[in-house]
Amino acid sequence: NAGVTQTPKFQVLKTGQSMTLQCAQDMNHNSMYWYRQDPGMGLRLIYYSASEGTTDKGEVPNGYNVSRLNKREFSLRLESAAPSQTSVYFCASMSPGLQPQHFGDGTRLSIL
Amino acid sequence: AQKVTQAQTEISVVEKEDVTLDCVYETRDTTYYLFWYKQPPSGELVFLIRRNSFDEQNEISGRYSWNFQKSTSSFNFTITASQVVDSAVYFCALSDVYSGGGADGLTFGKGTHLIIQP
Repeated sequence: NAGVTQTPKFQVLKTGQSMTLQCAQDMNHNSMYWYRQDPGMGLRLIYYSASEGTTDKGEVPNGYNVSRLNKREFSLRLESAAPSQTSVYFCASMSPGLQPQHFGDGTRLSIL
Repeated sequence: AQKVTQAQTEISVVEKEDVTLDCVYETRDTTYYLFWYKQPPSGELVFLIRRNSFDEQNEISGRYSWNFQKSTSSFNFTITASQVVDSAVYFCALSDVYSGGGADGLTFGKGTHLIIQP
């Protein structure tokens, strides 16, 4: 009963490197989300996917790309990492209507 | 645009005291959901409650209670007889009903850091 699984849990990158954060859910949810959390801030939405094959920008999409590979998986890619992208990244999933969003445990990303 | 304000950045109380965390929201939607999440020091997000905008009844769950007042756009959270294990950051969040957040996802407040001293 894993819920939402994020990998990796921790990562350190150098400026300009690329990386993909992975997220998978086993609850058969249609909607998936990527958020970032910065110190003293709440979570802010990066990208959203209502279903397989569809993605939409959230509040802070610049510098990121996403792929909804199938119903289970939603990945977040940093093409050229910048120090401003140092953050904790959370993936979430939800079945529209009745359920709250279920969150993964987060990926702590540091960019030097 | 939706907005959630948690004016209390940090609250520190002594164990066994009651404490209330404030949440004020703004939305143009007539139907929406409100949430509270807990983020303990370990970092994960723990869902506490969801409230539909149609339902203004207060809710109690053990030592936790929630006061939803649509007239003042507030959804406050009270912990009675606080314990050290309640120490965490608490987030209030808002979403519209029909898409469960849609393109906006959840709109979060900045959180209140609650410190319960023994």
